[in-house]
Amino acid sequence: QSVLTQPPSASGTPGQRVTISCSGSSSNIGSNYVYWYQQFPGTAPKLLIYKDNKRPSGVPDRFSASKSGTSASLAISGLRFEDEADYYCKSWDDSLSGYGIFGGGTKLTVL
Amino acid sequence: QITLKESGPTLVKPTQTLTLTCTFSGFSLSTSEVGVAWVRQPPGRALEWLALIYWDDDRRYRPSLKSRLTITKDTSRNQVVLTMTNMDPVDTATYYCVHTDGNLDWAFDYWGQGTLVTVSS
Repeated sequence: QSVLTQPPSASGTPGQRVTISCSGSSSNIGSNYVYWYQQFPGTAPKLLIYKDNKRPSGVPDRFSASKSGTSASLAISGLRFEDEADYYCKSWDDSLSGYGIFGGGTKLTVL
Repeated sequence: QITLKESGPTLVKPTQTLTLTCTFSGFSLSTSEVGVAWVRQPPGRALEWLALIYWDDDRRYRPSLKSRLTITKDTSRNQVVLTMTNMDPVDTATYYCVHTDGNLDWAFDYWGQGTLVTVSS
């Protein structure tokens, strides 16, 4: 079973730009879209990015994402205290008849 | 307005079968390019993709749990049911049902509030 690898933690100060990486393989990120979700404690995740780098309506343009090869990244610019949350990448894996796969999550701390 | 809500037991014993129901509104699973997925999250841990059922009854499962999972839909009742057999304490988690469709390229755009299932004797 494939995995998507994220750093367990990231941090930054207000106003800074931080990036969170998501590393996969040719069977997932390398051939399928990447999605990003934001989750606050005790709440359901929220869609932040779809189709590698598209923002749903209502998501601030401080959030951006990119993909290259088998890796993807989420960038948050103009960091705010309210951005402190867990962030998860997700993709589809084409092996074994196909299935969804989440990264291990990154806890973002705003110092 | 799309909403989803999970229901089912909050406590199950080891070896029992868990049955969770997702009741949704604001969309139909008989509409082309629509799906409902289940995602779980053990306490303090990461999200885990479990299963997905599409409008055309195509079904996909987490490989490591495929032998234990069954996902079905009842379009007339706007419900999706997830069954997980042989429950174990490691299956203790909050279980979410999620809407997905082709409009946002199969993003998980609407989530239920989640239901915490504890596995304990």
